[in-house]
Amino acid sequence: KAGVTQTPRYLIKTRGQQVTLSCSPISGHRSVSWYQQTPGQGLQFLFEYFSETQRNKGNFPGRFSGRQFSNSRSEMNVSTLELGDSALYLCASSLTGGLAGEPEQYFGPGTRLTVT
Amino acid sequence: GDSVTQMEGPVTLSEEAFLTINCTYTATGYPSLFWYVQYPGEGLQLLLKATKADDKGSNKGFEATYRKETTSFHLEKGSVQVSDSAVYFCALSVPSYGNNRLAFGKGNQVVVIP
Repeated sequence: KAGVTQTPRYLIKTRGQQVTLSCSPISGHRSVSWYQQTPGQGLQFLFEYFSETQRNKGNFPGRFSGRQFSNSRSEMNVSTLELGDSALYLCASSLTGGLAGEPEQYFGPGTRLTVT
Repeated sequence: GDSVTQMEGPVTLSEEAFLTINCTYTATGYPSLFWYVQYPGEGLQLLLKATKADDKGSNKGFEATYRKETTSFHLEKGSVQVSDSAVYFCALSVPSYGNNRLAFGKGNQVVVIP
């Protein structure tokens, strides 16, 4: 079974621009979560989508948004980019989003975003 | 809130040495516990998990036991190899409807010297 895929793998943007990242979960998985990884803050939860609905959101400004499609693929968008948004953005998929005794999440390779 | 604490600093050891990475947690509910590993330039790989007290997760020679009484989930491996060099993250989630977020520790860089 194919793993979680993320596109693009690398991205360079300029301050003030916006960016859209894409994530395709493992086939059959209904939950997609997004995390930001930086050297200073470590791994921080952004948001989770389950069956096209945002179930949970971390402590990030409204410039960070996302959505999930009917095929469970997800996108996240960051508007008005700041230098501090430079990070590795990781997507994780889960079969049932924590229900029915299946708590594990499987991560993609990440998208490395550099803001200049 | 839910949180995970890992021991500070990188871990450097020789090949075939014994590895221990400490992890303690604080959780409001009954958490599931995980160890993830990250190799350079890659995402996170699930190494092992435990979902209830006294469970032992194991994979690729690594083991960790869910200790509710000490709120710990320490990672161990009896004989490390150079290929085990990576960053290791302890994490927890409290699965419930509407909340599947993972809380991570800061991670420990493990360097195995031949």
